[in-house]
Amino acid sequence: EAQVTQNPRYLITVTGKKLTVTCSQNMNHEYMSWYRQDPGLGLRQIYYSMNVEVTDKGDVPEGYKVSRKEKRNFPLILESPSPNQTSLYFCASSYNTGVHETQYFGPGTRLLVL
Amino acid sequence: KQEVTQIPAALSVPEGENLVLNCSFTDSAIYNLQWFRQDPGKGLTSLLLIQSSQREQTSGRLNASLDKSSGRSTLYIAASQPGDSATYLCAVTDSWGKFQFGAGTQVVVTP
Repeated sequence: EAQVTQNPRYLITVTGKKLTVTCSQNMNHEYMSWYRQDPGLGLRQIYYSMNVEVTDKGDVPEGYKVSRKEKRNFPLILESPSPNQTSLYFCASSYNTGVHETQYFGPGTRLLVL
Repeated sequence: KQEVTQIPAALSVPEGENLVLNCSFTDSAIYNLQWFRQDPGKGLTSLLLIQSSQREQTSGRLNASLDKSSGRSTLYIAASQPGDSATYLCAVTDSWGKFQFGAGTQVVVTP
C-alpha cells in the first residue's frame, strides 16, 4: 500500500531533550516536506526537500533540522525542543512538485514539549 | 510574502445544499493550487489540483476554479452530504517547491 508513515504518532518530552521524528514513504517520491499545524495558524511549512541531499527552508525553520540521505526517509530533528514547538506535525511527499503532482500526507505526530 | 486566506472560517449547511468555499492569495505567481480535506485527528487528503494555466478542475461532485489574476480559487461541492463534514484547506505552490496553506474552512453538513 502506498503510504507516508511517521513515528512516533504521539510524543511527550521535556525542554532541551533532543528528539527525532521519522518520516518514510514507499512511493519513490522525490519531494518531501514537513509542516506544523497550530490552531488558527493553519499548516506552515518547516523544511522541504526536492531530492536526496537537497533541502530548503520553509516559513518556520527555526529550531528544526532535517536531512535527506536517502530518497524514502526525511527525518525531522529538534535539537533542543522548547514549549513553543508543541504542535501537530505532518510529513508529506509527492513525485515532484510538477503541475500534475499532488501531495500525500502522513497521519501526523502530536508533540507536547513540557 | 505569499498570504493565503480562506473565508469563511466555518460554515454549516443542511444536507443537499451546495457548498461554496473561497480561497484567496496575494501573489499571483503560483505554480499550482491544491484543495485538501482534513478530518478530525487525521492527515490531509488531496481533493483537486489546479495547474496555474488551468481555469478549473472537476472530480465527481467537486469543482474547483482558479482565477490567477485576481488571486482567487473557489471550491464547489454539489449536493452536500453529512460525510462532507470536514475542514477544507487550500494551498498554493511556487516553482521552488514552497507551499503556503490557508487556515481552512470548517464545514458541517447537518442531516
